[in-house]
Amino acid sequence: DTEVTQTPKHLVMGMTNKKSLKCEQHMGHRAMYWYKQKAKKPPELMFVYSYEKLSINESVPSRFSPECPNSSLLNLHLHALQPEDSALYLCASSQVGGTDFRSGNTIYFGEGSWLTVV
Amino acid sequence: SQQGEEDPQALSIQEGENATMNCSYKTSINNLQWYRQNSGRGLVHLILIRSNEREKHSGRLRVTLDTSKKSSSLLITASRAADTASYFCATTNTGFQKLVFGTGTRLLVSP
Repeated sequence: DTEVTQTPKHLVMGMTNKKSLKCEQHMGHRAMYWYKQKAKKPPELMFVYSYEKLSINESVPSRFSPECPNSSLLNLHLHALQPEDSALYLCASSQVGGTDFRSGNTIYFGEGSWLTVV
Repeated sequence: SQQGEEDPQALSIQEGENATMNCSYKTSINNLQWYRQNSGRGLVHLILIRSNEREKHSGRLRVTLDTSKKSSSLLITASRAADTASYFCATTNTGFQKLVFGTGTRLLVSP
């Protein structure tokens, strides 16, 4: 079962709202990721969690707050967003890779959450 | 930041024809992966090629990797209308599991 589940599929929020995006996987993966994708652009990495600890933050504004409550769940808390934050937010997971070419871990993506900030 | 550049940006072909997409990247990599994305959907993993491999096949897909030129190509043979999607290469750098995507190729296969 290679499935990453994201909820909600669509979210519309005002600039003063607080909302959360949720992601779940049951593949036993210990690395989880958030990516942001604007229309007709490639996904851009936001955060990486490894063994439930934040290991990479790609200089993401603090209005995005990730959380990894356990090895299966990954949340992205949203607060005081701007209209330009409207995008497709993709969650992904994989085994934690090593540092050499033999690792070759596939990263599996969810269907994404479409976020519109009004 | 994006590491890979893909060309062409868009490709339009007829069913049954082959489609070739190219990807170039800038730094040393652990491996290179190709993903497909249907419009507005998530990314589907197609194939992974390690830095010590030169060619890999999976069904109608053939991927090559030339680390000396820092480039890869994806060939889809006997294309179908269902292959219409955006295709992205993505690389994992040495050091950590940071998957960085190329700019993507939008493929349109007409019946």
